[in-house]
Amino acid sequence: QKEVEQNSGPLSVPEGAIASLNCTYSDRGSQSFFWYRQYSGKSPELIMSIYSNGDKEDGRFTAQLNKASQYVSLLIRDSQPSDSATYLCAVSPYNNNDMRFGAGTRLTVKP
Amino acid sequence: GAVVSQHPSRVICKSGTSVKIECRSLDFQATTMFWYRQFPKKSLMLMATSNEGSKATYEQGVEKDKFLINHASLTLSTLTVTSAHPEDSSFYICSASSSGGRGNEQFFGPGTRLTVL
Repeated sequence: QKEVEQNSGPLSVPEGAIASLNCTYSDRGSQSFFWYRQYSGKSPELIMSIYSNGDKEDGRFTAQLNKASQYVSLLIRDSQPSDSATYLCAVSPYNNNDMRFGAGTRLTVKP
Repeated sequence: GAVVSQHPSRVICKSGTSVKIECRSLDFQATTMFWYRQFPKKSLMLMATSNEGSKATYEQGVEKDKFLINHASLTLSTLTVTSAHPEDSSFYICSASSSGGRGNEQFFGPGTRLTVL
């Protein structure tokens, strides 16, 4: 079983819709969770971090964490074509530099 | 957010030569730096983790004598690909993390695209 699993996609949504990206992880000791966005040919960019169960909102982005289910998700409201990218889920133990990445979900937002 | 730079952004070299890639944290002190490699349409693969002033920890399957890592200061780490071969052609990305703050977010450099002829 992979440590961090994501659906590779591609996930295609129309402009203005909500894009929902999902991630599961195997290490129950994980405490820190991150979402990175990576455009083609570029390096990853941190967009959200979440540490507690529940929802965390930042603009059009909402991260959701459920530690009991070992599940973290990212919702993108009012999706724009510029949101088209690969989204990487990353998980690490608290106060530890070790971070494991999922393989990423490729999102396409169609105009 | 924290800024990490990498140099060079792109390098083309002949087989058998060595290539050095620099990674700098510009506005924070990075106690830990990470080196990743990414092949086209593939996921990030962690190569090694380096802490300032100590030897790097390499992931399984990564040759430490081929990929030399030096983390001499809190703002600079270098990766040297020794005797590069075409199969080493890839996108190399560094990231940096500070010891402060919760969760130790990693901030990525822009990457270096290496092509070995």
